[in-house]
Amino acid sequence: SYVLTQSPSVSVAPGQTARISCGGDNIGDKGVNWYQQKPGQAPFLVVYDDEFRPSGIPERFSGANSGDTATLTISGVEAGDEADYYCQVWDIRSGHWVFGGGTKVTVL
Amino acid sequence: QVQLVESGGGVVQPGGSLRLSCAASGFNFSTYGMHWVRQAPGKGLEWVAIIWSDGSKKYYADSVKGRFTISRDNSKNTLHVQMSSLKAEDTAVYYCAIGGSSLDHWGQGTLVSVSS
Repeated sequence: SYVLTQSPSVSVAPGQTARISCGGDNIGDKGVNWYQQKPGQAPFLVVYDDEFRPSGIPERFSGANSGDTATLTISGVEAGDEADYYCQVWDIRSGHWVFGGGTKVTVL
Repeated sequence: QVQLVESGGGVVQPGGSLRLSCAASGFNFSTYGMHWVRQAPGKGLEWVAIIWSDGSKKYYADSVKGRFTISRDNSKNTLHVQMSSLKAEDTAVYYCAIGGSSLDHWGQGTLVSVSS
């Protein structure tokens, strides 16, 4: 089955840029979605289909996808961005939806 | 606005069964695929199952295939998952979510605890 690999944690100072990577075999051929989850809350979608933001998501959140790596970038990080972030793809071949293991973003 | 409310969680013994429901409102339920996703305590997200908008197709994670059955009642705007032969490793918060390739809106989840 298809596997997505994320680094367990990223630390970033306020105002700086956080980059969260998601690795997968030829992931560039798939549409990648990203979710934010804060403690005790349900996840919600912050980027879909590699690079698009749902209504209400700040422009500070951006996505890119090429080769074997997709990246979620958070520019001008704020304290409220501290959360777990998950990448996800639809593996059409298996008919399965797949999540990465999650990356905890800590704002210093 | 879109609202998804899960119910039916609780404590169940290993080998037991449980049926979860997800009540949907604020959107045209019958035109959207629906997912179940779970999260074990302190762990990441695990996709469980999807059902097509008309119920014509269903896909399951290998970990639940043969034990869980996803269904929907478009006349009542309700999604279900029937869980049987439950194991300790099925203990998790179960979320329903709207979507196709992406999961666009999520409920708040319902906790299932499998324990003797």
